[in-house]
Amino acid sequence: DAGVIQSPRHEVTEMGQEVTLRCKPISGHNSLFWYRQTMMRGLELLIYFNNNVPIDDSGMPEDRFSAKMPNASFSTLKIQPSEPRDSAVYFCASSLVSQGRRTGELFFGEGSRLTVL
Amino acid sequence: AQSVAQPEDQVNVAEGNPLTVKCTYSVSGNPYLFWYVQYPNRGLQFLLKYITGDNLVKGSYGFEAEFNKSQTSFHLKKPSALVSDSALYFCAVRGSNNNAGNMLTFGGGTRLMVKP
Repeated sequence: DAGVIQSPRHEVTEMGQEVTLRCKPISGHNSLFWYRQTMMRGLELLIYFNNNVPIDDSGMPEDRFSAKMPNASFSTLKIQPSEPRDSAVYFCASSLVSQGRRTGELFFGEGSRLTVL
Repeated sequence: AQSVAQPEDQVNVAEGNPLTVKCTYSVSGNPYLFWYVQYPNRGLQFLLKYITGDNLVKGSYGFEAEFNKSQTSFHLKKPSALVSDSALYFCAVRGSNNNAGNMLTFGGGTRLMVKP
């Protein structure tokens, strides 16, 4: 299995531009998570999906951030408009979770490093 | 609400010596506990987990962790550290309570530095 695949690995953009980060989870996994990692705040959960449905988006910083999961094999995290304080590494992770059993570990992608100038 | 505390930002150890990276947690219901490692410019990699059973859990790369329910701790250990173990380590928890959802809560991370 190729693991969780994220693109782009690096993105440099200017303030005000739209940024779209992409994630392909591991085939067969039914939960998908978006995390953000910064030196100041560490690893923060932004949103997670279960069976393509957003379950908890309380970690999404503000309305500039949106996430979608149109099918089981693809998710996007969009920032519009982007700001310098959005600069971070964004990780996607997936997991297999069955009814009543939440013992599965998360598998992380390599991350997308975003720099907003 | 569930939470994880990793009280040490950094742990320094000499190669060949035993290492311990500390983790305490707070969660509703029984805890599911995890350790992850992150090497520079990489994603987090799963090391080991405690779900139930034996309090001493063995994982990848010779690491192990001890679950202590009374102290709500899940410290990561290795009998003999290697320079290549130098990385950022994260402890994480998920509750067995049905209201806990599927999300993992991560600690702030501990940087392990192993010196030759």
